[in-house]
Amino acid sequence: SQQGEEDPQALSIQEGENATMNCSYKTSINNLQWYRQNSGRGLVHLILIRSNEREKHSGRLRVTLDTSKKSSSLLITASRAADTASYFCATSGGYQKVTFGIGTKLQVIP
Amino acid sequence: DAGITQSPRHKVTETGTPVTLRCHQTENHRYMYWYRQDPGHGLRLIHYSYGVKDTDKGEVSDGYSVSRSKTEDFLLTLESATSSQTSVYFCAISGNPWAANQETQYFGPGTRLLVL
Repeated sequence: SQQGEEDPQALSIQEGENATMNCSYKTSINNLQWYRQNSGRGLVHLILIRSNEREKHSGRLRVTLDTSKKSSSLLITASRAADTASYFCATSGGYQKVTFGIGTKLQVIP
Repeated sequence: DAGITQSPRHKVTETGTPVTLRCHQTENHRYMYWYRQDPGHGLRLIHYSYGVKDTDKGEVSDGYSVSRSKTEDFLLTLESATSSQTSVYFCAISGNPWAANQETQYFGPGTRLLVL
């Protein structure tokens, strides 16, 4: 079974708007990662946040982690058509194995 | 992208035949993984390797075997392919000895497998 569950499963927004995706998980983690997958391609790592961190930024990406609620969010600000992709959270309990969620499919309309 | 390739990229095979997929890396990463991706299931781990000749099962290992005789290569074998193994297979690597985040996984381009 999947550790992480993304919400919503699909999201459609206009270019320039912000996109927020959420991930909930069940057991304690060492870190949580977000990946992007463009159609027909492999996953690309976006950002990693450790369990002792609450917020992390990378360019237009902002990730938060609330370990008490076992949840994380990925915010993409000022979205672009090129951000159209599926986004996955992946949780790790401290070893190299990670468990991926089912993903959120984001469509950014130009 | 990390130097990671998969072969073949596409394959059509018949039920009952053995199939081997190859993952090759040029990055000297310690860990290698095989996932399958299916609609509604996301990515599920089949097998992974934590060193040469060291492998372990993942979530959906039944019907699959792996081998890693060299750091660079990780082979996935479907011993007797079934239609339920029709999927997109991704190889990934992690454990970059020079990176701060050794947990980051780098993915290959995927192999589309159709079992008729």
